[in-house]
Amino acid sequence: DIQMTQSPSFLSASVGDRVTINCKASQNINKYLNWYQQKLGEAPKRLIYNTNNLQTGIPSRFSGSGSGTDYTLTISSLQPEDFATYFCLQHNSFPYTFGAGTKLELK
Amino acid sequence: VQLVESGGGLVQPGKSLKLSCSASGFTFSSYGMHWIRQAPGKGLDWVAYISSSSGTVYADAVKGRFTISRDNAKNTLYLQLNSLKSEDTAIYYCARSYGGSPFAYWGQGTLVTVSS
Repeated sequence: DIQMTQSPSFLSASVGDRVTINCKASQNINKYLNWYQQKLGEAPKRLIYNTNNLQTGIPSRFSGSGSGTDYTLTISSLQPEDFATYFCLQHNSFPYTFGAGTKLELK
Repeated sequence: VQLVESGGGLVQPGKSLKLSCSASGFTFSSYGMHWIRQAPGKGLDWVAYISSSSGTVYADAVKGRFTISRDNAKNTLYLQLNSLKSEDTAIYYCARSYGGSPFAYWGQGTLVTVSS
């Protein structure tokens, strides 16, 4: 199984900050990497698919990059509604596996 | 696209439960579907997948105990949960792909609690 190591686990930031969240796969996942945002009591929402494709309706301050085993989600200027938990997902091969999550908190 | 899960509840260890996911707003029969679960306060775990042609794949943790199925005439996805364990306690979500990538659309989830 492919292991996804996500970092950091917790991130404290302020409105307007630029933040990055990382995911490292245990093997090459060929850019089959998605990013999700989850708020308390809600289902996850897809932000980015296949490394760098922005889901329809998601603000352009969200972006993704990476290749091989290393991937990054960047939020260019944090907005109040962005404080949530973020997960990466590899879908290169079954079993699909998620990162453990990054909780983004207001500083 | 709308996905609505149902069928969760409190069940004793070793017992069974059947979850449903009612789909609307798209041609259900054309899409592969997934179940994903999330234990309380924990991360996300993929559980099972069924293709549009009813081929199936399972996570090792549920293989042999859970069965994913679909009824295209009823636009409904199912997950039969047998031999339940306390570690199966979670919110169970159904999800659909879009753009050649999974889990674009999610239901609201249904909570399964396994406890005596």
